[in-house]
Amino acid sequence: EAQVTQNPRYLITVTGKKLTVTCSQNMNHEYMSWYRQDPGLGLRQIYYSMNVEVTDKGDVPEGYKVSRKEKRNFPLILESPSPNQTSLYFCASGTADSRSSYEQYFGPGTRLTVT
Amino acid sequence: GENVEQHPSTLSVQEGDSAVIKCTYSDSASNYFPWYKQELGKRPQLIIDIRSNVGEKKDQRIAVTLNKTAKHFSLHITETQPEDSAVYFCAASRWDSNYQLIWGAGTKLIIKP
Repeated sequence: EAQVTQNPRYLITVTGKKLTVTCSQNMNHEYMSWYRQDPGLGLRQIYYSMNVEVTDKGDVPEGYKVSRKEKRNFPLILESPSPNQTSLYFCASGTADSRSSYEQYFGPGTRLTVT
Repeated sequence: GENVEQHPSTLSVQEGDSAVIKCTYSDSASNYFPWYKQELGKRPQLIIDIRSNVGEKKDQRIAVTLNKTAKHFSLHITETQPEDSAVYFCAASRWDSNYQLIWGAGTKLIIKP
């Protein structure tokens, strides 16, 4: 089944404790992205990647890191989480091929609470 | 950079009536405009999209119109049904150059029985 998976789905942590949210896709997509969703603010892009070893900042990259060592995986790293990073996080993947659909496929979301 | 404004933030319509959600964008070079639907507790899913070389696209009860001169695009849902209740997001992008989607803040659509 074609899908984007994220783990964990729910996470409660404390300020300053490093954490990683994993994202994996099995559709051989070149493009992967991380978003955070907050009430009234819609979806805001954190980082995105067009291919292996290529990453770019989105609108709200501060406090986050990513890596793209393999095509299928795009982990989100919070080195020192703070309460303002409490949010719902979505990973997404898609193709950048102009001959195809530009649809982004979203993972199920990770609800992060930082106390 | 690109900025996308979406209106209204909440829309309540009677079942069977039509719903229209409008988005305006600032970057005249944007060329790709998708609409995503997010049901409560679920992930966003693409429902329809349009590229800048066409003015309208339809898929059953859903249509999107694009006015490049005025820099706005709209989602039209006809014969609304209870399952249309959700949050709808528009987005704009120069997809073939910077691959970034800039999102509207969302519209909560409520279908009244």
